[in-house]
Amino acid sequence: DAGVTQSPTHLIKTRGQQVTLRCSPKSGHDTVSWYQQALGQGPQFIFQYYEEEERQRGNFPDRFSGHQFPNYSSELNVNALLLGDSALYLCASSSLGEGRLRPLHFGNGTRLTVT
Amino acid sequence: SQELEQSPQSLIVQEGKNLTINCTSSKTLYGLYWYKQKYGEGLIFLMMLQKGGEEKSHEKITAKLDEKKQQSSLHITASQPSHAGIYLCGADHSGNTPLVFGKGTRLSVIA
Repeated sequence: DAGVTQSPTHLIKTRGQQVTLRCSPKSGHDTVSWYQQALGQGPQFIFQYYEEEERQRGNFPDRFSGHQFPNYSSELNVNALLLGDSALYLCASSSLGEGRLRPLHFGNGTRLTVT
Repeated sequence: SQELEQSPQSLIVQEGKNLTINCTSSKTLYGLYWYKQKYGEGLIFLMMLQKGGEEKSHEKITAKLDEKKQQSSLHITASQPSHAGIYLCGADHSGNTPLVFGKGTRLSVIA
């Protein structure tokens, strides 16, 4: 039973560029959430996708956008990269069918460095 | 101010010793989650505690939720090098809100 998988594991980009990160949820999960974790900080919620729609969004600018596909996999896109976007980007999946309290299952993240 | 405060920020303990990590919320807790993270890796789910006060144990790790104090504690008995890592608490304030995380507690276990 594959867990949450993310690609790529590492990425180096230049300021102003655009980046796409990918995530495949754990088998049986239908909801994907994205988090940004800066060095020494806890993860910060970016947004959540369910049924191919953005359901909830954290305090992140419109430069951050996403998509969920019919197979529940998801992409995170960041445009016009800033140095401050350098972080570990974590994808987490869950299933609404598990009830209101359900643990998020995290991938190993994508380490993005913006130079 | 931080919505979810963890203490201590870091902890160094000798192998075999017990330790406690605390997580305090400034808002009402519907659910509280504990995760462990190895440096630069993803979060590993440890335990979930529901509102109303609850205690759960898994191997040598026990977590409690004090509803009155809006606080949770994670206790490790007889620590081992494998317990080293960053422990993060995540709060769910309504059952339908994204998890809010603390900054984490970095635990080192020395021989």
